Amino acid sequence: DGGITQSPKYLFRKEGQNVTLSCEQNLNHDAMYWYRQDPGQGLRLIYYSQIVNDFQKGDIAEGYSVSREKKESFPLTVTSAQKNPTAFYLCASRGSWVETQYFGPGTRLLVL
Amino acid sequence: AQSVTQLGSHVSVSEGALVLLRCNYSSSVPPYLFWYVQYPNQGLQLLLKYTTGATLVKGINGFEAEFKKSETSFHLTKPSAHMSDAAEYFCAVSAARGAQKLVFGQGTRLTINP
Repeated sequence: DGGITQSPKYLFRKEGQNVTLSCEQNLNHDAMYWYRQDPGQGLRLIYYSQIVNDFQKGDIAEGYSVSREKKESFPLTVTSAQKNPTAFYLCASRGSWVETQYFGPGTRLLVL
Repeated sequence: AQSVTQLGSHVSVSEGALVLLRCNYSSSVPPYLFWYVQYPNQGLQLLLKYTTGATLVKGINGFEAEFKKSETSFHLTKPSAHMSDAAEYFCAVSAARGAQKLVFGQGTRLTINP
């Protein structure tokens, strides 16, 4: 089945620690996105990538980093510089010439 | 630039009643409009979308939405609510051409009363 997978489902971060969230898609989509969701604030764009080895900052990129070494993979690292990382993180992808984004199941990040 | 306003962060209806979730958008170019649904602790699922053509769009689970350019609205409706419709709903907009990003509304949580 084609789709987007995110792992882990839950992730716990200790203070000062970097953690990486995985996002993989087998839809052959060129564009991939990371969003952060907080209660009552909708979805906010962290980073997005239109092609391999290229990515752009979204609206709230501070404290996060990404890489796009393969078309199917777009991992997000939450660095120690992100002081309020507790949130639900959603990965999405989009094919060329279409505007619809398809979402993964999400990763919930909690701080110990 | 695009923006989306969803009127009402919480909407509560009785089972069998009409569901109406409001979405107004702002866009300097012809927009593409989307409604997504999110069940607890899950990702977003596309309900329906408007790109071009017919302004009344039908989606999954009996939902539909009408694009009204003069009112800059894209309200979501369902004639008869079901308990399984309880979820959070997001309206989103993108520029019709070449847009790389979606802009989301704040979301509306729909509660269904038995």
